[in-house]
Amino acid sequence: GAGVSQSPRYKVTKRGQDVALRCDPISGHVSLYWYRQALGQGPEFLTYFNYEAQQDKSGLPNDRFSAERPEGSISTLTIQRTEQRDSAMYRCAVTGFNYGYTFGSGTRLTVV
Amino acid sequence: KNQVEQSPQSLIILEGKNCTLQCNYTVSPFSNLRWYKQDTGRGPVSLTIMTFSENTKSNGRYTATLDADTKQSSLHITASQLSDSASYICVVTALLTGANNLFFGTGTRLTVIP
Repeated sequence: GAGVSQSPRYKVTKRGQDVALRCDPISGHVSLYWYRQALGQGPEFLTYFNYEAQQDKSGLPNDRFSAERPEGSISTLTIQRTEQRDSAMYRCAVTGFNYGYTFGSGTRLTVV
Repeated sequence: KNQVEQSPQSLIILEGKNCTLQCNYTVSPFSNLRWYKQDTGRGPVSLTIMTFSENTKSNGRYTATLDADTKQSSLHITASQLSDSASYICVVTALLTGANNLFFGTGTRLTVIP
């Protein structure tokens, strides 16, 4: 979506490898949210930041998942020791000021 | 009720003059206050961030003050330039853990004329 880009668009990784997913919002998006969506299911909230502060990480499935946003702009979602059940579309959403709630186009992660 | 009010809504000044923008808030508990400059068609750019213990902070020709007792902040612009023409927005963060802990002012539209 306009205003936020995610990379990579697609990621195929072997089970056990670590992956890092990136969300890059344009200036002014104060709040940044991470979601994941398995095929055929609704989005599942993972975590969110206001500026650089992680406000809520209760949605992270386990300690293999972590996220950071060190300078309050770009955020990275890291999954360590990936498992097949981690396969999903990972999307970030941003909001702030007079910008509406905007989703990125997502990263399709496939763990084989 | 948590609110952030800015004044004036708009301001026109001559190039080279100084001006002061005001931000009053009722947000509690207070965490920090940020001033942003937003040029037309561009994203907001952070000018200063002030926490409870900070009274004043400068960024070039911009000086922000904070009085946590009266819950007032000001942004003083010295020797204004044409490029200072923009909207200036005050954002207050509350010490809350929920999603709605950011409170935005409606901004002051500053126009600097030659």
